[in-house]
Order: sequence, then structure tokens, then C-alpha cells
Amino acid sequence: EAQVTQNPRYLITVTGKKLTVTCSQNMNHEYMSWYRQDPGLGLRQIYYSMNVEVTDKGDVPEGYKVSRKEKRNFPLILESPSPNQTSLYFCASSFGTTDNEQFFGPGTRLTVL
Amino acid sequence: EDQVTQSPEALRLQEGESSSLNCSYTVSGLRGLFWYRQDPGKGPEFLFTLYSAGEEKEKERLKATLTKKESFLHITAPKPEDSATYLCAVQNSGYALNFGKGTSLLVTP
Repeated sequence: EAQVTQNPRYLITVTGKKLTVTCSQNMNHEYMSWYRQDPGLGLRQIYYSMNVEVTDKGDVPEGYKVSRKEKRNFPLILESPSPNQTSLYFCASSFGTTDNEQFFGPGTRLTVL
Repeated sequence: EDQVTQSPEALRLQEGESSSLNCSYTVSGLRGLFWYRQDPGKGPEFLFTLYSAGEEKEKERLKATLTKKESFLHITAPKPEDSATYLCAVQNSGYALNFGKGTSLLVTP
């Protein structure tokens, strides 16, 4: 089944404790992206990647890192999480960079205490 | 800076009562405008991509149109299962995506 998977789905952590949210797609998609969704602010792009080893900043990259060493994986790294990074995170992928029929993962709900 | 504004924020319709959702945008070099549907607790689901002014696309009861400044999502004779949040997004010349805050649609029987 074609899908985007994210792990973990739910995470409660404390300020400053490094964490990684994994994202994997099985559709051989080139474009992958991370978003956060907050009430009243909508969906905001954090980072995106157009292909392996090619990443770029979205609207809200501060406090986040990404890497794209393999086509299928695009992990999101929070080196030192803070409470303002409490949010619902979505990973997405699409075949090309402009057709943008993005497939979204199920989301990761992160709480930073 | 790219901007996407959706209106109304919320819309309540009776089953069968047609209406339109608006997405106005400013973007540096539009590559595409996209509509998504999001159900509570789930990731957005792709509906349409529009590339140039005058373009229209249809899917069941939904029809999306595009001008140089805005896009409309027309919902004809909606059913309760059309209830969801509808998101509009634009992609600029640099491949970044910018989403609007969405319109929350409730269709009552």
C-alpha cells in the first residue's frame, strides 16, 4: 500500500532533550516536506527536500534540522526542543516538485514540557 | 512575502445548498495553487492543482477555478460527508509551499 509513515505518532518530552521524528515513503517520491499545524496559524512548512541531499528552508525552520540521505526517508530533528515547538507535525511527499499531489502522513503530536 | 488568505473561516450549509469558498493569494512566481481537504485528526488529502488563470478542475461535487489573484472552490449540492476543513496552498518559484488557514465547512442534513 502506498503510504507515508511517521513515528512516533505521539510524544511527550521535556525541554532540551533531543528527539527525532522519522518519516518514510514507499512511492519513490522526489519531493518531501515537513509541516507543523497549530490552531489559528494553520499549516506551516518547516523544511522541504527536492531530492536526496537537497533540502531548503520553509517558513518556520528555526529550531529544526532535517536530512535526506536516502530518497525514502526524511527525518525531522529537534536538537533542543522547547515548549513553543509543541504542535502537530505532518510529513508529506509527492512525485515531482510541481505536481504537488502531496501524500500526507498521519501526523505526530508532540508535547514539550 | 507570499500570502494566502481563505474566507470565510467557517461555513455552515444545509444539505443541497451550494456555495463557494475563496482563496486569495499573493506569490512571487506562481508554480501552482492547490486545494486539500482535511478531516479532524488526519493529514490533508489532495483535491486539485491549478497552474494558470482561467483553469478549472472538477471532482464530484467540487469545482476549483483560478484567476490571477484568487481561487474559488465551488461546492454544488453538498452532502454531510463533505464536512471538513478545506485548505488552499500556493507554491512559489522556489518550490516552497504556503498554506492558508483553511475554511471549516459543516454540512447539516
